[in-house]
Amino acid sequence: DVKVTQSSRYLVKRTGEKVFLECVQDMDHENMFWYRQDPGLGLRLIYFSYDVKMKEKGDIPEGYSVSREKKERFSLILESASTNQTSMYLCASRLWGRETQYFGPGTRLLVL
Amino acid sequence: AQTVTQSQPEMSVQEAETVTLSCTYDTSESDYYLFWYKQPPSRQMILVIRQEAYKQQNATENRFSVNFQKAAKSFSLKISDSQLGDAAMYFCAIGSNDYKLSFGAGTTVTVRA
Repeated sequence: DVKVTQSSRYLVKRTGEKVFLECVQDMDHENMFWYRQDPGLGLRLIYFSYDVKMKEKGDIPEGYSVSREKKERFSLILESASTNQTSMYLCASRLWGRETQYFGPGTRLLVL
Repeated sequence: AQTVTQSQPEMSVQEAETVTLSCTYDTSESDYYLFWYKQPPSRQMILVIRQEAYKQQNATENRFSVNFQKAAKSFSLKISDSQLGDAAMYFCAIGSNDYKLSFGAGTTVTVRA
């Protein structure tokens, strides 16, 4: 079975802090994704990565950056956290050329 | 651009009964895929069922089936013989060859014992 893990289930940070969210998958998937999930809005794509060291902006990249130094790990970085970044963050991965994405358990981030 | 609309924020169903979740979409792609994902409370999102747009036959996965109406751009999910474990938020999503998925707002399903 595909396993996607995220470093924290719950996180509380202060405004202006730098925040790192980590995602690890164990199935050698080339593609990885970061979404944020908000009530009434569904999931929105922040960034995705085709492969190691490759990244593409999604629909809402402002205020975020990403890092993919190793194939299994995809990090989301909030350079200076703001209260409007309080949300649920979901990581996903998929095999190149396959349609189905596999999700991690999510990180619920509260920015005070 | 691809968009997905789920018009039912919440649905309630009696245990053992059937519930249908609606989903409409818009896309300019000719080759695309449609998905239903399930997110149980505080648990991981999992794939329920998927449908390739080029296939006319509706996908079925045990108690879950879809009604795919390509001309109407409609992709509804039917849950038969509902169980307490079916309680979750269900997301409809569309994807194509550009790797990205676009999701609807979700429908929360409550199962009454």
